[in-house]
Amino acid sequence: EIVLTQSPGTLSLSPGEGATLSCRASQSVLSNYLAWYQQKPGQPPRFLIYGVSTRAAGVPDRFSGSGSGTDFTLTISRLEPEDCAVYYCQQYGGSPLTFGQGTKVEIK
Amino acid sequence: QLQLQESGPGLVKPSETLSLACTVSGGAISSDSYFWAWIRQPPGKGLEWTGSIHYSGRTYYNPSLKSRVTISVDTSEKQISLKVSSVTAADTAVYYCARLRRFHGDYGYFDNWGRGALVTVSS
Repeated sequence: EIVLTQSPGTLSLSPGEGATLSCRASQSVLSNYLAWYQQKPGQPPRFLIYGVSTRAAGVPDRFSGSGSGTDFTLTISRLEPEDCAVYYCQQYGGSPLTFGQGTKVEIK
Repeated sequence: QLQLQESGPGLVKPSETLSLACTVSGGAISSDSYFWAWIRQPPGKGLEWTGSIHYSGRTYYNPSLKSRVTISVDTSEKQISLKVSSVTAADTAVYYCARLRRFHGDYGYFDNWGRGALVTVSS
């Protein structure tokens, strides 16, 4: 099983700042099959990115993904108040499908 | 627009079987491009993939739950069902139904989610 570890646990930033969220895998993720999701309180997760860096339809371009192998990053440039949420990474290179434990982004 | 709606009892007694249904509307359930999945989230915690099913009936389960979980599909009713047997308090969670976009064999990412159903295990 591939364990995904996200850091930091919580990020507290001001509007307009940039956020860097890390997702580290316990072993190399096959062909960079990694996705990111955003979850706001009381809502289901929202699909953001697949294949490390391809944004889903309708996702603002201030969200970008990068990385390879075992180290992946979600970057949110120019934070807006509505970006306040928990962000999860997920690997789909093999079974079982696994998620990271999440990074909470707070807006000051 | 695809919609997924979970339904079922919100309270289950310990040792009994949790049963949920997911109704798919606004899209095809019988597409080779997708699986249908259940993902759960204990209160205040992260996401755990429970299992996935193809419209043909092909299934995959998380080994952590495999012996207790059954997922089935009824294409005529456009429903996906989840059963978890011998539940304990640890099975208390919001259970989400989601569409899995196949990208690597029968694996992929979850591109559409239902709103979720909270199931509490308590006597």
